[in-house]
Amino acid sequence: GDSVTQMEGPVTLSEEAFLTINCTYTATGYPSLFWYVQYPGEGLQLLLKATKADDKGSNKGFEATYRKETTSFHLEKGSVQVSDSAVYFCALSNSGGYQKVTFGTGTKLQVIP
Amino acid sequence: NAGVTQTPKFQVLKTGQSMTLQCAQDMNHEYMSWYRQDPGMGLRLIHYSVGAGITDQGEVPNGYNVSRSTTEDFPLRLLSAAPSQTSVYFCASSYNGNSYNSPLHFGNGTRLTVT
Repeated sequence: GDSVTQMEGPVTLSEEAFLTINCTYTATGYPSLFWYVQYPGEGLQLLLKATKADDKGSNKGFEATYRKETTSFHLEKGSVQVSDSAVYFCALSNSGGYQKVTFGTGTKLQVIP
Repeated sequence: NAGVTQTPKFQVLKTGQSMTLQCAQDMNHEYMSWYRQDPGMGLRLIHYSVGAGITDQGEVPNGYNVSRSTTEDFPLRLLSAAPSQTSVYFCASSYNGNSYNSPLHFGNGTRLTVT
């Protein structure tokens, strides 16, 4: 079946540091890929998505490129802020008669001033 | 536009009690679903619905029931609570359950503790 593997956290960075959170996936066919972010006490919200190979999703300074050859969708940001502290989830959505979404286990990011 | 609304935010139950977690969305979304979030396990799908009157099981359905009598509402029922059901529960919806490009919209969750 489908699966998503994320780097384990927590990840602690200083403000303005470069962020990479690794995500690799296993899936049949051509899934869509997503990054969701969860701020403390809230539900998940969509950060960015990519629907086909070589697509780049971007939002709020974050970006991720759909790499089919390496089955990866790594999240990057050039300069993190304290307000980026949250849990980040990589996810894939595959066809199958309904919206079947598989989530990674989440990576907690803490940004310190 | 409230999005996805879940109630209650917190609940403590004793083993064997029953309760209903409420979920409502005002975006006219066809697809609604329930997930549970446990440490180190990500989110796991409990039940889902692709439209009013249509429900199906997800990955971890045992001990839970759902119904979908209207497009807006998708309640989750715990029939006889067990400590293993201690978790954070999220309701999520999307515009079209048959389109896997549609992102999910989440409620703020219900934190359930079963003692």
